Amino acid sequence: SQQGEEDPQALSIQEGENATMNCSYKTSINNLQWYRQNSGRGLVHLILIRSNEREKHSGRLRVTLDTSKKSSSLLITASRAADTASYFCATDAGGANSKLTFGKGITLSVRP
Amino acid sequence: SQTIHQWPATLVQPVGSPLSLECTVEGTSNPNLYWYRQAAGRGLQLLFYSVGIGQISSEVPQNLSASRPQDRQFILSSKKLLLSDSGFYLCAWSGEGGYTFGSGTRLTVV
Repeated sequence: SQQGEEDPQALSIQEGENATMNCSYKTSINNLQWYRQNSGRGLVHLILIRSNEREKHSGRLRVTLDTSKKSSSLLITASRAADTASYFCATDAGGANSKLTFGKGITLSVRP
Repeated sequence: SQTIHQWPATLVQPVGSPLSLECTVEGTSNPNLYWYRQAAGRGLQLLFYSVGIGQISSEVPQNLSASRPQDRQFILSSKKLLLSDSGFYLCAWSGEGGYTFGSGTRLTVV
């Protein structure tokens, strides 16, 4: 079953603008991860944030995690046309049988 | 460095035919391995995962099976494909920093 629910489902912005994508989940997690998928391709890991972390940065990416609200956000600053892709959040409860549960994804279109 | 290989990239198979998709990992030992399926325009659904040789956990009842004959080899199979088995199949292994996915196999059952 789907654990993460991203919103919006689709986002269209102008190059140079910031893109904010949100994810909510239902059960306790060990970590939350964001992935990117270009059309018809495999997924690329972007960033992992652990349950005891509140914010993390990687280049133009900023991820926040609020475990009390069971939500996370991914911010892409100064977007580029090459950022056009689908973005997925995924949660991992951790433990020996660690497995990722994905949301349905957000389609981001960055207009040049 | 760790790499993951998945093949074939695309596959068109008739209904009722068998399926075998292979995934191999290099550069790591005793990895956790996963098979996901992505239907068109949907998120990823976990099908199987394996924590070791011969150890397979199935997440959803379905027409597919998985096997792990070697530490770094994970195989997805079906004896008789259904139209509903069409989709994009992704193999992955998990490390400390996150999961690494293969490039995927697009399966079309006709």
